[in-house]
Amino acid sequence: DSGVTQTPKHLITATGQRVTLRCSPRSGDLSVYWYQQSLDQGLQFLIQYYNGEERAKGNILERFSAQQFPDLHSELNLSSLELGDSALYFCASSNKQFQNEQFFGPGTRLTVL
Amino acid sequence: GENVEQHPSTLSVQEGDSAVIKCTYSDSASNYFPWYKQELGKRPQLIIDIRSNVGEKKDQRIAVTLNKTAKHFSLHITETQPEDSAVYFCAASERGSTLGRLYFGRGTQLTVWP
Repeated sequence: DSGVTQTPKHLITATGQRVTLRCSPRSGDLSVYWYQQSLDQGLQFLIQYYNGEERAKGNILERFSAQQFPDLHSELNLSSLELGDSALYFCASSNKQFQNEQFFGPGTRLTVL
Repeated sequence: GENVEQHPSTLSVQEGDSAVIKCTYSDSASNYFPWYKQELGKRPQLIIDIRSNVGEKKDQRIAVTLNKTAKHFSLHITETQPEDSAVYFCAASERGSTLGRLYFGRGTQLTVWP
């Protein structure tokens, strides 16, 4: 157990819908990273937050957004869902802004029908 | 941005044999190289990492080597066991920058036959 929690574990929804994925980092970790894992794209970085502020953006679609709250949990919002958004979504946390050891949560499996 | 290539994509070995997975990276500014193990349906788990001021690091049966000049690094697993079967990912990152993101290779499916 990495200490990073994610909810829900599974999510099944329809195209065009909107969902919210939640992540709680390890105690004391200020940085949260979101990754998408699909069969054809591997592990892709989406976005990073540090202590409530956005720090880096990767291959995140405009339909996706995220935020980190004062209690340091983070939410990833996916809207206007398409079939191709079906994937495993992981968040990871690390304990410093410049520290790269990242510990992954169990992931949320999103299925868009 | 950084580009990480990983080979082979699949690897089958007999229990007790060694396994080697190789990765190359493109950005000379990268200086942190972790390896993750992911079992089916589970989260990626950090198993070992190496920083650019070190050429080799060992932890029991696993070791990682880094050649900064050639921009490649490798994972070595000795005395493999069936429980080593998983997908292994290498990654690269520029440590010490605000961009702590990891660039991952495509993964290697390791199967250890008893």
